[in-house]
Amino acid sequence: DSGVTQTPKHLITATGQRVTLRCSPRSGDLSVYWYQQSLDQGLQFLIQYYNGEERAKGNILERFSAQQFPDLHSELNLSSLELGDSALYFCASSVTENTEAFFGQGTRLTVV
Amino acid sequence: GQNIDQPTEMTATEGAIVQINCTYQTSGFNGLFWYQQHAGEAPTFLSYNVLDGLEEKGRFSSFLSRSKGYSYLLLKELQMKDSASYLCVGGSGAGSYQLTFGKGTKLSVIP
Repeated sequence: DSGVTQTPKHLITATGQRVTLRCSPRSGDLSVYWYQQSLDQGLQFLIQYYNGEERAKGNILERFSAQQFPDLHSELNLSSLELGDSALYFCASSVTENTEAFFGQGTRLTVV
Repeated sequence: GQNIDQPTEMTATEGAIVQINCTYQTSGFNGLFWYQQHAGEAPTFLSYNVLDGLEEKGRFSSFLSRSKGYSYLLLKELQMKDSASYLCVGGSGAGSYQLTFGKGTKLSVIP
């Protein structure tokens, strides 16, 4: 158990819908990262927050947005879902920005 | 930006030693991580190299050469449970730190 909690574990939804994925980082970790992993693909960096502020953006679509709240948990919002958005979405957290990141177990999103 | 290259697949025998190489091209590089990921599971941290040289941790060792943009992960006394993907990850930036993951090397350990 890495200490990073992601909910829900599985999500099945229809095209065009909107979903919210939730991440609780390890206690004391200020940095939160979101990644997308499609079938047989590598981890694609989406976005990073540090202590409530957006720090870096990767290949995140405009239909996706995220935020980190004062209690440091983070949410990833995916809207106007398409079949190609089906993937594992991982959240990771780290104490500071240049230390090892610990990953949650991921949310498996299936868009039908 | 960053570019991370590592072999797609490798096969090795139980009990043997295997070396997984990684080359990177990155601006603002400040460290290299190795992660292990079993299929359908979360990546788990293995090692972090900032300075040149070899870091040893039990059966796993990681090496970094900053001047050559090169790293390797060495796995000794391979066990069947070591069958997994091994991800080379570059850390870069200051103020907007990013982890860039390679596509991973899928290691199959055979009896």
